[in-house]
Amino acid sequence: EVQLVESGGGLVQPGGSLKLSCVASGLDLGDDWMDWVRQAPGKGLEWVANIKQDGSKRYYVASVRGRFTISLDNAKKSVYLQMNSLTGEDTATYYCARGAGGGWFWDSWGQGTLVTVSS
Amino acid sequence: QSVLTQPPSASGTPGQRVTISCSGSSSNIGSNAVTWYQKVPGTAPKLLIYSNDHRPSGVPDRFSGSKSGTSASLAISGIQSEDETDYYCAVWDTNLNVWLFGGGTQLTVL
Repeated sequence: EVQLVESGGGLVQPGGSLKLSCVASGLDLGDDWMDWVRQAPGKGLEWVANIKQDGSKRYYVASVRGRFTISLDNAKKSVYLQMNSLTGEDTATYYCARGAGGGWFWDSWGQGTLVTVSS
Repeated sequence: QSVLTQPPSASGTPGQRVTISCSGSSSNIGSNAVTWYQKVPGTAPKLLIYSNDHRPSGVPDRFSGSKSGTSASLAISGIQSEDETDYYCAVWDTNLNVWLFGGGTQLTVL
């Protein structure tokens, strides 16, 4: 059974940092990508970032570029999202997802981890 | 304002067919495959349709997708009360190098 489990969310002050982790089990990432998608309270889904399994490519939504860094550890089957200079607009539930089919659709999702940016 | 445009709401009575549209541009829907997700509050999104019109195993065949030019649609035939939730289209934008989501459509089963 494919499983993605996120951790690392919590309450952080504006300007602070947080690192999210996502551990994958039951799947061979192969040529897949790994993505982070978030949903702010009462808002729609927003894609945040992704990384190719070999680490050769990574992309970010404009609003987090320069503040967030996605990385992975294939040995640990883990993907990370380092988030710096956080603002209230980053408050959201963050989901990791597997970009299957060469990254063209997300077929496996984690349960989500809540990040709250507030003083 | 999303680059991908979905109607904010849709509705139908049980058993009806409902269609949700997703409008984009040549750099996203016009160039790449569209996916659709079902999002129930408090749970992770669920893949409904990939590659415009492919349905993953386990998704009921009353869900179907289509694409024409720079627009795509999700159709739900014979809607049921359990279908009452939010639906999102998503597609890669080749110019922006980002994934885009539509604003989401809240389906109400009357």
